[in-house]
Amino acid sequence: GQQVMQIPQYQHVQEGEDFTTYCNSSTTLSNIQWYKQRPGGHPVFLIQLVKSGEVKKQKRLTFQFGEAKKNSSLHITATQTTDVGTYFCADFMEYGNKLVFGAGTILRVKS
Amino acid sequence: DAGVTQSPTHLIKTRGQQVTLRCSPKSGHDTVSWYQQALGQGPQFIFQYYEEEERQRGNFPDRFSGHQFPNYSSELNVNALLLGDSALYLCASSFVLTTDTQYFGPGTRLTVL
Repeated sequence: GQQVMQIPQYQHVQEGEDFTTYCNSSTTLSNIQWYKQRPGGHPVFLIQLVKSGEVKKQKRLTFQFGEAKKNSSLHITATQTTDVGTYFCADFMEYGNKLVFGAGTILRVKS
Repeated sequence: DAGVTQSPTHLIKTRGQQVTLRCSPKSGHDTVSWYQQALGQGPQFIFQYYEEEERQRGNFPDRFSGHQFPNYSSELNVNALLLGDSALYLCASSFVLTTDTQYFGPGTRLTVL
């Protein structure tokens, strides 16, 4: 079945450094959604990318969808301690309206 | 406008027991999906309910069953619990006629001893 891979598994950065997580699939992704899950919390929707090559920004966060719709990335500029959590990408399959999640990237920020 | 709510928050059961988890969708939503999130993993799709019927199902055994009520709320039932069923169970609601995102509830943390 559909598999979504995410790297790295874990990243520990100094506050103020940048952070990037990557999402890859061997098959074409439908729509990519990104979620953030704080420790002990539940996934919170960040953004959805639909079009090939799409780039969206939310303050310090930049999301990209690859030209072939087989990969996506989330980049955080100048991380802050409030960015701590696990970031998941998920293929949002419109047919069936279900999500196929990657395993997530855990971000830790040292102040 | 209430978001997605789930109950109970935490639950401890022993192997072989049965459990029922509950979810109320966000106002205006008619579709409920259930996900299992084991520790350190991403959520895995269990099944989805719309119009009180199971619309589609992930790769989970028949021990996992569900129900949707006329008010769109839903239950997830797990029979013959195994240690491996310990996880965070997430409910997500959406409106079937849009491609809008799903909204997740806070989850139920199930521990099987």
